[in-house]
Amino acid sequence: DSGVTQTPKHLITATGQRVTLRCSPRSGDLSVYWYQQSLDQGLQFLIQYYNGEERAKGNILERFSAQQFPDLHSELNLSSLELGDSALYFCASSPYSEDTTEAFFGQGTRLTVV
Amino acid sequence: QKEVEQDPGPLSVPEGAIVSLNCTYSNSAFQYFMWYRQYSRKGPELLMYTYSSGNKEDGRFTAQVDKSSKYISLFIRDSQPSDSATYLCAMSGGFKTIFGAGTRLFVKA
Repeated sequence: DSGVTQTPKHLITATGQRVTLRCSPRSGDLSVYWYQQSLDQGLQFLIQYYNGEERAKGNILERFSAQQFPDLHSELNLSSLELGDSALYFCASSPYSEDTTEAFFGQGTRLTVV
Repeated sequence: QKEVEQDPGPLSVPEGAIVSLNCTYSNSAFQYFMWYRQYSRKGPELLMYTYSSGNKEDGRFTAQVDKSSKYISLFIRDSQPSDSATYLCAMSGGFKTIFGAGTRLFVKA
């Protein structure tokens, strides 16, 4: 168990809908990273938050947004969902703002858009 | 050209074999090099990381980085069926971490 908790584990929704994925980082970790993993794209970095502030942005679509709350949990919001958004979404946490060498991953949320 | 290239496999070996997994990269700014193991339907698990060039050993696992060739390797000695998983290399330079596509490894008993 990595100590990173993601909910829900599975999500099935229809195209055009909006969903929220939740991540609770390891105790004491200030950084939260969101990744998307699909069969054809591998693990793609979406966005990082550090202590409530956006720190780095990757290949995140404008339909997607994230935030980190004062208690350090984070939410990833996906809207106007398309079939191609079906993927595993992982959250990782780390104590550091720049160093990802000690990033620990949650078990992921499997999103299926039908 | 992708920043990180990794052969997706699958790679199938008999139990006890030495496994060699590799990645190449193009961005010379990468300074940290990581290897993750991912079991089916699970999150990636950090195996080991190396800073800059050189070797690092942890039990049956050895990570090797050759920055001059932009080539990193993970060796698994005495491979076990429990090592069957997807192995992802990852590279980091400042804010940016890039993952390889992952190599699927099967160790047959």
